[in-house]
Amino acid sequence: DIVMTQSPLSLPVTPGEPASISCRSSQGLFHSNGYNCLDWYLQKPGQPPQLLIYLGSNRASGVPDRFSGSGSGTDFTLKISRVEADDVGIYYCMQHLQVPLTFGQGTRLEIK
Amino acid sequence: EVQLVESGGGLVQPGGSLRLSCAASEFIFNKYSMRWVRQAPGKGLEWVASINPDGSEEYYVDFVKGRFTVSRDNAKNSLYLQMNSLRAEDTAVYYCARLSNHVCDIWGQGATVTVSS
Repeated sequence: DIVMTQSPLSLPVTPGEPASISCRSSQGLFHSNGYNCLDWYLQKPGQPPQLLIYLGSNRASGVPDRFSGSGSGTDFTLKISRVEADDVGIYYCMQHLQVPLTFGQGTRLEIK
Repeated sequence: EVQLVESGGGLVQPGGSLRLSCAASEFIFNKYSMRWVRQAPGKGLEWVASINPDGSEEYYVDFVKGRFTVSRDNAKNSLYLQMNSLRAEDTAVYYCARLSNHVCDIWGQGATVTVSS
């Protein structure tokens, strides 16, 4: 199974400041079709997860451009250029290169 | 509005069975693969099962193989998860999600399953 490791697990951020979350996979996630099989989801308190970034670096519809995804192979990063109060929640990376699909442990972002 | 609505959750004794349903609306259901993802209390997300658009291919995480069955009825725009031989560790919120270009772009609100005597 592909193991997904996120860091940090807790991320206190001052509003207006940037934030960065790392996600590392135990195997490369680059698909032969030319994309990385890595997505980012945000689960706000009391809500189901919502898609933020797909295939490593593509923002989902309606996601503010403050959010960006980068990386390839085994190392990926989610960046928020300026954190807002509404960004509070748990961020998960997930690989869909192979079954079983696996998620990172989650990174809890909180406002200082 | 495009949405998914789960139902069928509840309290069940260890060893018992439960069938979750996921009703899809406002999109062409038979064009999309679907997934079930669960979240135990206070824990992270865990993929459970997937099914392709016509229901001919199913995929499961190892710890539910032989106990859970994913299925769909495209005529009814519905996805199902039949759960047998339930264990305490199956206690979780179960989400159904639509798969679009390999990602879960639409999620339901979740159905709570509690396995306890």
